[in-house]
Amino acid sequence: DGGITQSPKYLFRKEGQNVTLSCEQNLNHDAMYWYRQDPGQGLRLIYYSQIVNDFQKGDIAEGYSVSREKKESFPLTVTSAQKNPTAFYLCASRPGQLNQPQHFGDGTRLSIL
Amino acid sequence: GQNIDQPTEMTATEGAIVQINCTYQTSGFNGLFWYQQHAGEAPTFLSYNVLDGLEEKGRFSSFLSRSKGYSYLLLKELQMKDSASYLCAVTRRKNSGYALNFGKGTSLLVTP
Repeated sequence: DGGITQSPKYLFRKEGQNVTLSCEQNLNHDAMYWYRQDPGQGLRLIYYSQIVNDFQKGDIAEGYSVSREKKESFPLTVTSAQKNPTAFYLCASRPGQLNQPQHFGDGTRLSIL
Repeated sequence: GQNIDQPTEMTATEGAIVQINCTYQTSGFNGLFWYQQHAGEAPTFLSYNVLDGLEEKGRFSSFLSRSKGYSYLLLKELQMKDSASYLCAVTRRKNSGYALNFGKGTSLLVTP
């Protein structure tokens, strides 16, 4: 079945470490997105990519980095510069048409040890 | 700028009808989505409105008034499984592409 796969489901990070969250889609979607969700905050956009080898900062990009070397993959690295990384991270993808919804992965919950 | 407002919490009875409102202020409106999200899970798509009026899909309907910056999601014949968070999201132009701006969500509790 087509879909979006995020791994791992749970991730723990020590202070000062970088960690990378995986996001893979086999829906042949052009656009991909990373969101962060905190309790009572809704979803906030971190980075997004409309096409391969191109990505744009979202509203809260500081302390994060991404790459889009393949259409199917959009990994997110949470760097040590992100001072409050504990959150639920959601990856999404969307076909080219604006009236098509974003499809979400099951999320990765990141916690600091 | 972008500003989306939804009620934080609502409670309704099984079998009843509930209306969840969403107001927004945006530059460059390109459509409004409603998503359902159960705790700890991914959001799932419910509806999309880009023109004024009502879109009906089974027990769920969504309404849009672009001139008022207002939408609502109507849930009929409520079931216990409808207890979830409901997210309103507005499509906006951002740099060379499009992104969604989400409200904080409305947590709906359906009681017996």
